[in-house]
Amino acid sequence: DVVMTQSPLSLPVTLGQPASISCRSSQSLVHSNGNTYLNWFQQRPGQSPRRLIYKVSNRDSGVPDRFSGSGSGTDFTLKISRVEAEDVGIYFCIQGTHWPYTFGQGTKLEIK
Amino acid sequence: QVQLQQWGSGLLKPSETLSLTCAVYGGSFNGYYWSWIRQPPGKGLEWIGEINHSGSANYSPSLKSRFTISVDASKTQFSLNLSPVTAADAAVYYCARKDPVNGVDFWGQGTLVAVSS
Repeated sequence: DVVMTQSPLSLPVTLGQPASISCRSSQSLVHSNGNTYLNWFQQRPGQSPRRLIYKVSNRDSGVPDRFSGSGSGTDFTLKISRVEAEDVGIYFCIQGTHWPYTFGQGTKLEIK
Repeated sequence: QVQLQQWGSGLLKPSETLSLTCAVYGGSFNGYYWSWIRQPPGKGLEWIGEINHSGSANYSPSLKSRFTISVDASKTQFSLNLSPVTAADAAVYYCARKDPVNGVDFWGQGTLVAVSS
């Protein structure tokens, strides 16, 4: 199975400051059809996961533009330009290129 | 807006059968894969498998033998059975939708399953 390694696992951030989460895969996530199926999710306390980013860099409808995704091959990043209080939660990546799909361990973002 | 609402057995004894069902509201039922994912306490998320509206299912090779995913397209519902359960199957179980173009998007609320004698 493809191993997804996220870092950091804990991310204390000051309000208004940027944050960055890395997700690295043990194999390239480029599918034979040319797409890269790497998605990012946010899970707020007590809620179901909510997708933020699909196929590396596409922001879902309703997601604030302070969230952005980037990367290629095996190395991907989720960035929050200015952290707000509502961003507290767990962020995780998922690869959908290789079966079975696999997840990063999750990064817990908290406010300093 | 698409909503997934799940329900099922929350407390089981070892060797019993886990049964969970997920109902889909809003959006199309055809054209997607309907998935089950679990997260044991203190561990990461684990993909169990998926099924489409016509009943074609795919399972994670490491979990395949004990899980069964089924679908009732007429009710826009799909289900997960696991038998027999062991303590290692205690987890929060989620249902989710997978868009074949953009990947997993909507999730259910999760069901905590405990296994204890």
